[in-house]
Amino acid sequence: RKEVEQDPGPFNVPEGATVAFNCTYSNSASQSFFWYRQDCRKEPKLLVSVYSSGNEDGRFTAQLNRASQYISLLIRDSKLSDSATYLCVVTFNAGGTSYGKLTFGQGTILTVHP
Amino acid sequence: GAGVSQSPSNKVTEKGKDVELRCDPISGHTALYWYRQSLGQGLEFLIYFQGNSAPDKSGLPSDRFSAERTGGSVSTLTIQRTQQEDSAVYLCASRHNLRDKAGTLHFGNGTRLTVT
Repeated sequence: RKEVEQDPGPFNVPEGATVAFNCTYSNSASQSFFWYRQDCRKEPKLLVSVYSSGNEDGRFTAQLNRASQYISLLIRDSKLSDSATYLCVVTFNAGGTSYGKLTFGQGTILTVHP
Repeated sequence: GAGVSQSPSNKVTEKGKDVELRCDPISGHTALYWYRQSLGQGLEFLIYFQGNSAPDKSGLPSDRFSAERTGGSVSTLTIQRTQQEDSAVYLCASRHNLRDKAGTLHFGNGTRLTVT
């Protein structure tokens, strides 16, 4: 079983739609969770951190369910510019403020059309 | 300011040759990571450094792969006797453990390696 699993999609949605992505992780000892965004042929960039209490950042809401080892990302009012690959990331804290290995999922492709 | 710099940006090599990929992290960044990404795939972790030491090198696919970091700065990823399955984009990332927001990695533009 992969450490981090995502539905690869693709998701094709119209502008203005709400879309949700899911991600599961296998190691219950994982401590920190994030969503990254990667545009075509570009480097990945941090989008949002994921907390048990939920984390809302504008149109983006990230949620963690530790009991089910499940992470979600909700995008409201989709824009054309949201078209990208969304990567789920899981890590352990290596101590203090440093992180160990950040494990990326394979990504979910989103295409927003007019 | 200057970001993470990787060189070369593209490398085409013949099967069986050795290659060296270079990463210049952002100045002052203690943590440095290597990943590779094959076409249509996610990022596969290779190794990470804290300073000059590598606490986790579990992602190196075989003993043909090695990496080092000297002076807490530049890192080199070496692939010996390259195989066609080594073809991928090799991404380097760095972070400042104190200044960067949790989970932030600053990625370079990558080295696209093609083994013919």
